[in-house]
Amino acid sequence: AQSVTQLGSHVSVSEGALVLLRCNYSSSVPPYLFWYVQYPNQGLQLLLKYTTGATLVKGINGFEAEFKKSETSFHLTKPSAHMSDAAEYFCAVKGGGNKLTFGTGTQLKVEL
Amino acid sequence: EAGVAQSPRYKIIEKRQSVAFWCNPISGHATLYWYQQILGQGPKLLIQFQNNGVVDDSQLPKDRFSAERLKGVDSTLKIQPAKLEDSAVYLCASSLDYQRGTDTQYFGPGTRLTVL
Repeated sequence: AQSVTQLGSHVSVSEGALVLLRCNYSSSVPPYLFWYVQYPNQGLQLLLKYTTGATLVKGINGFEAEFKKSETSFHLTKPSAHMSDAAEYFCAVKGGGNKLTFGTGTQLKVEL
Repeated sequence: EAGVAQSPRYKIIEKRQSVAFWCNPISGHATLYWYQQILGQGPKLLIQFQNNGVVDDSQLPKDRFSAERLKGVDSTLKIQPAKLEDSAVYLCASSLDYQRGTDTQYFGPGTRLTVL
């Protein structure tokens, strides 16, 4: 069975600072991993995904994530936070039948 | 390209009443998913359709929840009777074909249900 753990339900950064959102996964098969973002009162929007190949994945809005098999991690980063990045971020792992198992989410707050 | 459409966006009902949600997936997407997202949690899959057939409904509380996708396009999720613990956001998602390895799910805006 697959599972995802997101460390830190709330993260606060200053505008212009590095954003680091942590995600660790458990999977019995080579994982497909996803990061989604959810703005208030909206659905989930795909930020980026890792399937195979290059372990550093670039997504939209300047975000990227690195798949580290040895650490079972898929942390999300952005070099410089912007006020518009304030949202909830979900890490997910894909299992059989394309079923996504989501983490509990990390609320990102960006302060001036 | 139009995204996944859902209606209504918000619904408030009394417990023991019934409610229905509608979803229109992205054109050409064979696979449709319904998720339940309780406040403070990640989405949880309720049911997955491939065209008009059910692939996975293991997490659907079948005593009160039902879903259909009769013509393999639009889908309806129903709750009857509703309980307080059903208060959540119900998300619909679609993908081209779940059997493809790199298939990606695209989500609609969700329906926020409040049960009083």
